[in-house]
Amino acid sequence: EPEVTQTPSHQVTQMGQEVILRCVPISNHLYFYWYRQILGQKVEFLVSFYNNEISEKSEIFDDQFSVERPDGSNFTLKIRSTKLEDSAMYFCASSEAWGTGGPYGYTFGSGTRLTVV
Amino acid sequence: QKEVEQNSGPLSVPEGAIASLNCTYSDRGSQSFFWYRQYSGKSPELIMSIYSNGDKEDGRFTAQLNKASQYVSLLIRDSQPSDSATYLCAVNSGGQNFVFGPGTRLSVLP
Repeated sequence: EPEVTQTPSHQVTQMGQEVILRCVPISNHLYFYWYRQILGQKVEFLVSFYNNEISEKSEIFDDQFSVERPDGSNFTLKIRSTKLEDSAMYFCASSEAWGTGGPYGYTFGSGTRLTVV
Repeated sequence: QKEVEQNSGPLSVPEGAIASLNCTYSDRGSQSFFWYRQYSGKSPELIMSIYSNGDKEDGRFTAQLNKASQYVSLLIRDSQPSDSATYLCAVNSGGQNFVFGPGTRLSVLP
């Protein structure tokens, strides 16, 4: 079964440092996403990415965040200057298409737990 | 603000019973509805999607959608201890993102 791969599984960083979270989406998927889940809270949408550009982003995805697809396989989330409140599980997801009648279900990666100290 | 609400639980059912999980959503224009299962510390795993009013069955799982009442539910028949997890309702309202509910924690007792 194809899967979305995320690295690292756990990252600890000091406040103010930059972090890059990495994802390898499923190879024939065209849409890529980042979500986050603060411990004990809801899964929240950050950004969607299609055709090498951001297609949607939430209010959470401010200027501290950026995404990139540097090559044909990787999809990265960069947080420029981490804050304590950025501590969360970050999930990458991908989907095959965005069809009429709604989206196809996502396949989520296993997540990166980011701890900002 | 688009909201998705679920009872947080825990919902406890004995093994072999039917578990019923409910979800309501605020945006009447919502088009697609998904149920995800999330084990503690793990990522959400898609169980079912539903787009039209009525029931949709897949194995032991049945999703039910009532757009007039803005209500979607998930029934799990013959519940097993391995079904113990948090069940997330996710709703799409036409954009390229889902709004997730807070999840209902299900505990299936042997």
